Amino acid sequence: EIVLTQSPGTLSLSPGERATLSCRTSQSVSSNYLAWYQQKPGQAPRLLIYGASSRATGISDRFSGSGSGTDFTLTISRLEPEDFAVYYCQQYDYSIRWTFGQGTKVEIK
Amino acid sequence: EVQLLESGGGLVQPGGSLRLSCAASGFTFSSYVMAWVRQAPGKGLRWVSTISVDGGATYYADSVKGRFTISRDNSKKTSYLQMNSVRAEDTAVYFCASSVPGSGSFDNWGQGALVTVSS
Repeated sequence: EIVLTQSPGTLSLSPGERATLSCRTSQSVSSNYLAWYQQKPGQAPRLLIYGASSRATGISDRFSGSGSGTDFTLTISRLEPEDFAVYYCQQYDYSIRWTFGQGTKVEIK
Repeated sequence: EVQLLESGGGLVQPGGSLRLSCAASGFTFSSYVMAWVRQAPGKGLRWVSTISVDGGATYYADSVKGRFTISRDNSKKTSYLQMNSVRAEDTAVYFCASSVPGSGSFDNWGQGALVTVSS
């Protein structure tokens, strides 16, 4: 089973700052199948990025994804108040399994 | 507007059964893979099960294999999760999600249904 490890666990930043979130996988994964989600308290997750770097419909261009192999990154260029939330990476592999990382909480400093 | 609405959650005793439903609207249900993802209180997301567009293929996490069954009725635009022999560790909010075939990601989510397993 592929394990996804996100870091840091918590990121304390101020509005307007840049956020860089990391997702490392225990085995190389296809970039086609790496996604990022945002979840706010009491809400369902929302797809931000799919295919490692493609923004989902309606997602601000402040959000960008990059990476390949075992190292992937979600960058939020300038944090807005509504961006403070928990972020999850997720991968799909050829053993027909979907796996999530443990999440990174972006909190207001 | 795309909508996924879960129902059927509640309190169930260990060893009991429960069926969750996910009613879809606003998109061509029969063209999308459907899945269930759960989140235990205060924890992260865990994939539970996925079903192909025609229901011919189903996939399960090891933790629920043999106990849970996913199904769908394209005429009713509804997906189901039959949960049998439930355990305390199955306590979670269960989200229904849709996926474009072959994308590997979940593009739309319901608001979730809380399942509590307790005596």
